[in-house]
Amino acid sequence: DTGVSQNPRHKITKRGQNVTFRCDPISEHNRLYWYRQTLGQGPEFLTYFQNEAQLEKSRLLSDRFSAERPKGSFSTLEIQRTEQGDSAMYLCASSTRDPYSLHFGNGTRLTVT
Amino acid sequence: KQEVTQIPAALSVPEGENLVLNCSFTDSAIYNLQWFRQDPGKGLTSLLLIQSSQREQTSGRLNASLDKSSGRSTLYIAASQPGDSATYLCAVPTRELGSTLGRLYFGRGTQLTVWP
Repeated sequence: DTGVSQNPRHKITKRGQNVTFRCDPISEHNRLYWYRQTLGQGPEFLTYFQNEAQLEKSRLLSDRFSAERPKGSFSTLEIQRTEQGDSAMYLCASSTRDPYSLHFGNGTRLTVT
Repeated sequence: KQEVTQIPAALSVPEGENLVLNCSFTDSAIYNLQWFRQDPGKGLTSLLLIQSSQREQTSGRLNASLDKSSGRSTLYIAASQPGDSATYLCAVPTRELGSTLGRLYFGRGTQLTVWP
């Protein structure tokens, strides 16, 4: 169990640029979640995958955001035309069939200047 | 929509003190409640999960209680140590029909500092 891995750890980008983050879940975990955490707030749910199927998206996931999990293993989260309000920590978590046993990665911190 | 509130927002105590962190939620019909720890710049680590049918859950120096009827949970930390310094968050899963149970509603957390 090597844990959930997220890359990059930090990303600084200029407003209007596109960014992509990667999440590698624990190998036997078929469920994968993305959360966003802004400074001083708790994490907020963005989206959920079971294997390669994206089964749920929150209203926070605007049309500038897209997430994929093409082979049911790693996942990517892309933000197009970044805005300063997108600055946050993006957290990935994975679980087995027990949805309450979430294992979180260390996150990708995005700063939009 | 479930609202989760945590007080205090920050707490600073000397080593050795026993302390209590508070969490409240607006919809008492919860499946369970979890307490997480978050170190600066890091992800979350689950500390304790209390099922809705339970009143307490213990792990080492940590004890979490749950009072569904009043919409409250407390995390008690005994004999605090500098290594306990972190942000502690509580979370409850959604009850929205068709939503994944891994969709958690988090409080803002309590930032704890334990000084030697």
